[in-house]
Amino acid sequence: GQNIDQPTEMTATEGAIVQINCTYQTSGFNGLFWYQQHAGEAPTFLSYNVLDGLEEKGRFSSFLSRSKGYSYLLLKELQMKDSASYLCAARDTGFQKLVFGTGTRLLVSP
Amino acid sequence: EPEVTQTPSHQVTQMGQEVILRCVPISNHLYFYWYRQILGQKVEFLVSFYNNEISEKSEIFDDQFSVERPDGSNFTLKIRSTKLEDSAMYFCASTPGQTSTDTQYFGPGTRLTVL
Repeated sequence: GQNIDQPTEMTATEGAIVQINCTYQTSGFNGLFWYQQHAGEAPTFLSYNVLDGLEEKGRFSSFLSRSKGYSYLLLKELQMKDSASYLCAARDTGFQKLVFGTGTRLLVSP
Repeated sequence: EPEVTQTPSHQVTQMGQEVILRCVPISNHLYFYWYRQILGQKVEFLVSFYNNEISEKSEIFDDQFSVERPDGSNFTLKIRSTKLEDSAMYFCASTPGQTSTDTQYFGPGTRLTVL
């Protein structure tokens, strides 16, 4: 079976740091992806991890532990425009479909 | 920067009618996908397509659905006889290959409303 779990909603203050966790259980695994999705729009790619460890891209970082089936997305220096849903997705082996979690809705307040 | 495009942005149809959703993947990409997202729910995989044939499909992708790449640029999803529960955002995605660094890029989506 395939299961991706992440919190439903989080709140944070502008300028702060927030960590969004994701745990996954998949039959095949070839990487963990994070997407940002504003309401009514398409998911846009943020970051991915294939190997264990931390990947940093500007204000966003993502971490993966394959042995624990765990990832997190770290957002620094939060801005109001970061208010969105953040989707954790595990990439399957084979033809590499993405299996998504339900998304974490992040609300950034002034 | 190249991007995936989709038309129409919004489609309204009557139950039982056929709809065709169109996508133009990024030009040098070889693998194509359709996903859907029912309002308030998670993004779900429908089908993947490579080398002019379906490579994988989900349980959602039943006989009412079909995909086609009629020419070198378009990639279409057809729903033969729409049902109320087909109302959703439909996203097309593409990726250049299957290496570990290849990312799936999503189009803006088509909002399908079945009345």
